[in-house]
Amino acid sequence: NAGVTQTPKFQVLKTGQSMTLQCAQDMNHEYMSWYRQDPGMGLRLIHYSVGAGITDQGEVPNGYNVSRSTTEDFPLRLLSAAPSQTSVYFCASASDYEQYFGPGTRLTVT
Amino acid sequence: GEDVEQSLFLSVREGDSSVINCTYTDSSSTYLYWYKQEPGAGLQLLTYIFSNMDMKQDQRLTVLLNKKDKHLSLRIADTQTGDSAIYFCAESLHNAGNMLTFGGGTRLMVKP
Repeated sequence: NAGVTQTPKFQVLKTGQSMTLQCAQDMNHEYMSWYRQDPGMGLRLIHYSVGAGITDQGEVPNGYNVSRSTTEDFPLRLLSAAPSQTSVYFCASASDYEQYFGPGTRLTVT
Repeated sequence: GEDVEQSLFLSVREGDSSVINCTYTDSSSTYLYWYKQEPGAGLQLLTYIFSNMDMKQDQRLTVLLNKKDKHLSLRIADTQTGDSAIYFCAESLHNAGNMLTFGGGTRLMVKP
């Protein structure tokens, strides 16, 4: 099993550009989520999904969209990038009680 | 404000025990977790405890849960330099899709 994979590992965007961060898992987990981690802070939940076709907002959803058309994939879209979205983004998938994280995408918005 | 709180920093000598503390506020938490993050890496699940337990031991790791005081601790026995990292505690609510609320992380430095 590859576990949770994320692409790209690094990305630099200009203000106003859009992009999609990819996340995939091969563990057949129902739960998937996106977090952002800012320097010196813990992770904050952006959006999550409890199954294909079902998504909901987390703590910091503004500026991001998600969709869950398959169990395996949970992409995160930045609609119009802003410098405040400079962060490290982690995708996670979970079974009933174990949550596994991807390696992260480091995003810089200039 | 944060629902989960941790001290920022802990320094120990190699071979000593480390104790990292965490307090949480949501009494309906189902599971409580400890994650380890090394520089530039993702989060590695170390261990977790169900809220109806008060202790869990896994090799060098011991988790203690005081549900009355909403206090969680992680004890690392015989701490090694490879244990230097940031440790995050997190709580989840089973009826909220298992989403996690994280503390700010405790940076553990192990001196040789």
